[in-house]
Amino acid sequence: AQKVTQTQTSISVVEKTTVTMDCVYETRDSSYFLFWYKQTASGEIVFLIRQDSYKKENATVGHYSLNFQKPKSSIGLIITATQIEDSAVYFCAMSREDTNAYKVIFGKGTHLHVLP
Amino acid sequence: EAAVTQSPRSKVAVTGGKVTLSCHQTNNHDYMYWYRQDTGHGLRLIHYSYVADSTEKGDIPDGYKASRPSQENFSLILELASLSQTAVYFCASSGTAPNSDYTFGSGTRLLVI
Repeated sequence: AQKVTQTQTSISVVEKTTVTMDCVYETRDSSYFLFWYKQTASGEIVFLIRQDSYKKENATVGHYSLNFQKPKSSIGLIITATQIEDSAVYFCAMSREDTNAYKVIFGKGTHLHVLP
Repeated sequence: EAAVTQSPRSKVAVTGGKVTLSCHQTNNHDYMYWYRQDTGHGLRLIHYSYVADSTEKGDIPDGYKASRPSQENFSLILELASLSQTAVYFCASSGTAPNSDYTFGSGTRLLVI
């Protein structure tokens, strides 16, 4: 069964430091796609960054980057120079193929608290 | 600006009553989804649709129906609302490529009493 697991339920860091959020996944697909989303305190969910499994280079967008370790089925999200407004819940997700479409399954989320 | 709009933003429903949650997107996306969010469970897929007039069951479809009358509109229907359906519901849309990211609506907070 395909699965996405985030074991860290909550992380607290001091502003301007670097944080890594862990995510492991299970899949039998040879090609798959991994995503990270952010849910703010208002409830809004926004897409942050994506990693295509066939790409060896780690994706980077702004102060977000990924640590993709394919042999370990791991896709960590790294946030550098954290800011107070980075406080949110972060969801790891994986696209999987189904009968008529590709669907995304989500992990349970990691709540990041950035402290002044 | 392309967007996904959900209505209502919140609703209180009576057990056994019918509830309809609506979603409208202006992204010109073919795929639309309904997810449910509960504390400790993340986001779970209820129903999805890849073309108008067709819907598919997701991972937790029991107790829910869906309707996709047009590319832009996707509704979630609770024919007989139950206490266990109290949750926040999110609609999303995406393109057809497997690496397409989702655009989410703002969510509907449903309380069944």
